[in-house]
Amino acid sequence: AQSVTQLDSQVPVFEEAPVELRCNYSSSVSVYLFWYVQYPNQGLQLLLKYLSGSTLVKGINGFEAEFNKSQTSFHLRKPSVHISDTAEYFCAVSTSGGSNYKLTFGKGTLLTVNP
Amino acid sequence: EAQVTQNPRYLITVTGKKLTVTCSQNMNHEYMSWYRQDPGLGLRQIYYSMNVEVTDKGDVPEGYKVSRKEKRNFPLILESPSPNQTSLYFCASSPRTSGITTQYFGPGTRLLVL
Repeated sequence: AQSVTQLDSQVPVFEEAPVELRCNYSSSVSVYLFWYVQYPNQGLQLLLKYLSGSTLVKGINGFEAEFNKSQTSFHLRKPSVHISDTAEYFCAVSTSGGSNYKLTFGKGTLLTVNP
Repeated sequence: EAQVTQNPRYLITVTGKKLTVTCSQNMNHEYMSWYRQDPGLGLRQIYYSMNVEVTDKGDVPEGYKVSRKEKRNFPLILESPSPNQTSLYFCASSPRTSGITTQYFGPGTRLLVL
């Protein structure tokens, strides 16, 4: 079975500060990893994903994440946040390969960017 | 425009009154899935379908039914809704070639069961 733990339920930061949203996963097999963003009263949008290859993954809106297999982590980072980055962020995992169609989400991290 | 649509977007109902939330996609995707989102719990997968007439349970299937008679539609059926099914529901689809790795989400359906 696979699982995801997002270590912070809320992260308040000031505008232009760097931010890191932490995500750890558990799986006995190889995984695909994802970060999704949900802006207030909207649906989900894919920020970035790790499938294979380079462990540093760049996504939209200046976000990036690093896959660390030894620490089973996939933390999301942005060097300088904007007010418009205020949203809820979800980390998700699925097992790689074959015909896997199960996606497990974390409980979410609410990022609030203050002026 | 490529999209996933859900209807209704908002629904208030009473305990025990059967309801159906429709999901339709115009991208000819094989894979479709339903999730529910609850505060503090994130999104949890209810059911998914790999193609027409092929469905399987996700993590929280109890109290829900699905069917996949046509490729474009994947309705979610609550035969006897209960208050603990009050939630925000999302449908998603993706092509077989990318499976779970590229999902397109619908706008969501907010359900209140009294």
